[in-house]
Amino acid sequence: NAGVTQTPKFRVLKTGQSMTLLCAQDMNHEYMYWYRQDPGMGLRLIHYSVGEGTTAKGEVPDGYNVSRLKKQNFLLGLESAAPSQTSVYFCASSYTGSTEAFFGQGTRLTVV
Amino acid sequence: AQSVSQHNHHVILSEAASLELGCNYSYGGTVNLFWYVQYPGQHLQLLLKYFSGDPLVKGIKGFEAEFIKSKFSFNLRKPSVQWSDTAEYFCAVIRDSNYQLIWGAGTKLIIKP
Repeated sequence: NAGVTQTPKFRVLKTGQSMTLLCAQDMNHEYMYWYRQDPGMGLRLIHYSVGEGTTAKGEVPDGYNVSRLKKQNFLLGLESAAPSQTSVYFCASSYTGSTEAFFGQGTRLTVV
Repeated sequence: AQSVSQHNHHVILSEAASLELGCNYSYGGTVNLFWYVQYPGQHLQLLLKYFSGDPLVKGIKGFEAEFIKSKFSFNLRKPSVQWSDTAEYFCAVIRDSNYQLIWGAGTKLIIKP
């Protein structure tokens, strides 16, 4: 049982480049989330999804887009990367909106 | 705005010392409360959670937390820490009407062998 899998684990981008982070879960969870983790700031929610085909903005959505075409996958896109998007990104999923979340291993992104 | 406060950003203890990490939240309604742990280089894992019932909840690895509604607190405790408890600890809250986990800033715990 893989749980929540994120790819890639590391990436270095140049300013202005684009990329997509993939999150896959095999627990049949309805809810999926993308967070960024920055030192001293805890986790901040970027976007989330409450089911296949739905997405919603979180606390810090600017500069990011997401898609949930399949229930098991939640993609996070950066259309034009900026140095301020250097961070560790975590994907999570949960069965409902009020139950515990299961996290992926994280993606360390550096934008130079 | 709703917030979650963790009082200490860094805590350094010796092995066998007792641990208490503070967590306070600002929302007055029904909440679900969580403590997560992130070991160095790893993803976040659930330590324990409180939804309802007995306000003293026990989690993995000897951790426990007490929900005190009147103080809006959910402090994490362990009677005797080990070197392997070195990690970052996060408190998080979900409101009954919201899908979003609100996170504290985290507490980095270092245990000296």
